[in-house]
Amino acid sequence: QKEVEQDPGPLSVPEGAIVSLNCTYSNSAFQYFMWYRQYSRKGPELLMYTYSSGNKEDGRFTAQVDKSSKYISLFIRDSQPSDSATYLCAMRDTGGFKTIFGAGTRLFVKA
Amino acid sequence: DVKVTQSSRYLVKRTGEKVFLECVQDMDHENMFWYRQDPGLGLRLIYFSYDVKMKEKGDIPEGYSVSREKKERFSLILESASTNQTSMYLCASDSRTGGRDTQYFGPGTRLTVL
Repeated sequence: QKEVEQDPGPLSVPEGAIVSLNCTYSNSAFQYFMWYRQYSRKGPELLMYTYSSGNKEDGRFTAQVDKSSKYISLFIRDSQPSDSATYLCAMRDTGGFKTIFGAGTRLFVKA
Repeated sequence: DVKVTQSSRYLVKRTGEKVFLECVQDMDHENMFWYRQDPGLGLRLIYFSYDVKMKEKGDIPEGYSVSREKKERFSLILESASTNQTSMYLCASDSRTGGRDTQYFGPGTRLTVL
């Protein structure tokens, strides 16, 4: 079993829809949770960063962490065609050097 | 703004060639990483370095080596390129000081080995 599981999609939604992207993980020591966005033929860029449990909001993006269920989510409100990209979840424990990445979910937002 | 640059965006090499991929970061980060990214497999860690001249194997180090002679520069070396090393190679850096210790990525090098 992989340490981090992420549905690869693709996920296709109409413009304006609310998008929900999710990851599950098995290592209860993970404390840092990130979401990266990667456009085609580009490197990943950091979108959201959360420490431990709870919610974090930044504009149209909300990140949620539920450590009891080992489940993290990224919500995108009012999705735009420019949100079409691959979204990678990532996580790490305190003090560790290695960040563990999900395989990424490919999102298409249709105009 | 953090900037991580990679020496080439696209590279085509022949089987058996020695290949050098270079990465430079300008944020004085102590940690640097090399990943490869393949469809369906996500990001896999090849090697990382937490200090100058220090290196640690990641999950898939076979067929690769690295060099870190200066803090800002981390090189990935394919000693004898093979077709199964055709992939997207991503360099990243981070720092565990200052609170926000997330990784910043370069634009990637798409390597094709013929």
